Amino acid sequence: DTGVSQDPRHKITKRGQNVTFRCDPISEHNRLYWYRQTLGQGPEFLTYFQNEAQLEKSRLLSDRFSAERPKGSFSTLEIQRTEQGDSAMYLCASSRDITNTIYFGEGSWLTVV
Amino acid sequence: AQRVTQPEKLLSVFKGAPVELKCNYSYSGSPELFWYVQYSRQRLQLLLRHISRESIKGFTADLNKGETSFHLKKPFAQEEDSAMYYCALRASAPGKSGGSYIPTFGRGTSLIVHP
Repeated sequence: DTGVSQDPRHKITKRGQNVTFRCDPISEHNRLYWYRQTLGQGPEFLTYFQNEAQLEKSRLLSDRFSAERPKGSFSTLEIQRTEQGDSAMYLCASSRDITNTIYFGEGSWLTVV
Repeated sequence: AQRVTQPEKLLSVFKGAPVELKCNYSYSGSPELFWYVQYSRQRLQLLLRHISRESIKGFTADLNKGETSFHLKKPFAQEEDSAMYYCALRASAPGKSGGSYIPTFGRGTSLIVHP
């Protein structure tokens, strides 16, 4: 499968702990996106990279969230000092170009207890 | 700002019945509209985009700028159409209208097709 892959698929953590999610986009896709999805809602944009540059961040991305794409390939999304409100599906997506189709990964489920 | 509204959380029909999933949008500029679908235990995937003007799996959607709508239609629903459907919008040329190339999604409509 050469689609967008995310790891881990599921994560249960205690409140206050840090968690990190990894996303491997489709090869040669320059654009990489992070979205968050909670029950009953559609995907909500968090942040976006063009190659290694983080070009846009949503107001949803609090100071506890940080995302990187160090070499313009895979990306990580770290949440520090997790809160119960962080429980959600974190979706990664990639596209070849800003106007091309966006392909989504299967998502990483986070449960904060 | 760009906004997408899907008024129905759930749509339940019988096999063979027509289906219309509603999508309304708010955006002052020129939008690009999409429908994404998520089947059970599968990832979110693009179903169709308005600029393609094509029919995918029997589904069509027409952009109505006057009514700011992009409803998804299928004349005869099949059981395998049961899924979550998300309408999404992005700016086709964001500069002047302040929109974004980043897609904004609606909350989704769950379509259940009964046998």
